[in-house]
Amino acid sequence: EPEVTQTPSHQVTQMGQEVILRCVPISNHLYFYWYRQILGQKVEFLVSFYNNEISEKSEIFDDQFSVERPDGSNFTLKIRSTKLEDSAMYFCASSEVGRANYGYTFGSGTRLTVV
Amino acid sequence: EDKVVQSPLSLVVHEGDTVTLNCSYEVTNFRSLLWYKQEKKAPTFLFMLTSSGIEKKSGRLSSILDKKELFSILNITATQTGDSAIYLCAVEAYGGSQGNLIFGKGTKLSVKP
Repeated sequence: EPEVTQTPSHQVTQMGQEVILRCVPISNHLYFYWYRQILGQKVEFLVSFYNNEISEKSEIFDDQFSVERPDGSNFTLKIRSTKLEDSAMYFCASSEVGRANYGYTFGSGTRLTVV
Repeated sequence: EDKVVQSPLSLVVHEGDTVTLNCSYEVTNFRSLLWYKQEKKAPTFLFMLTSSGIEKKSGRLSSILDKKELFSILNITATQTGDSAIYLCAVEAYGGSQGNLIFGKGTKLSVKP
């Protein structure tokens, strides 16, 4: 079964450092998403991406965050200067079309710990 | 502000019990409601509901949506220890969003042998 792959599974970084979280969406999917889940809290939407540009972003997704599809397969989330409160599980997801029922699949997540 | 509220937040049952998990929502331009199971990491898809009153069923799990009262329930019959997980409810809306989901906090279900 096709999978969304995220790397690394766990990243520890010092406050103020830049991090890049990587995702390989399912190959024929066109819509890509990042979500985060702070420990013990709900999954929150960060950003959606289609046709090489951001479709929508939440209030959480401020200037510290950026997304990119640098090649035909990877989809990355960059946090420029990490803060302690950025510690969370970050999930990537992809779907064939911009609808939740079209094979909308989550990756296994990257646990980011900012120290 | 759009919101999705799940109850209870946690639940402990014994194998063989039947459980009902609740999800209520206040979302502008509702499109669909989804249930996910989250064990260790990635949420895995269970059901998508768009129409009121039509039960979706998969094995021991079933779910139904009430668009008038703005809620959904997820039932699990004859629970097993493998059902232990966090169950997430999410809502998809029409409009500017293209598939981004609004999640509830989840219900943590623990099934004891």
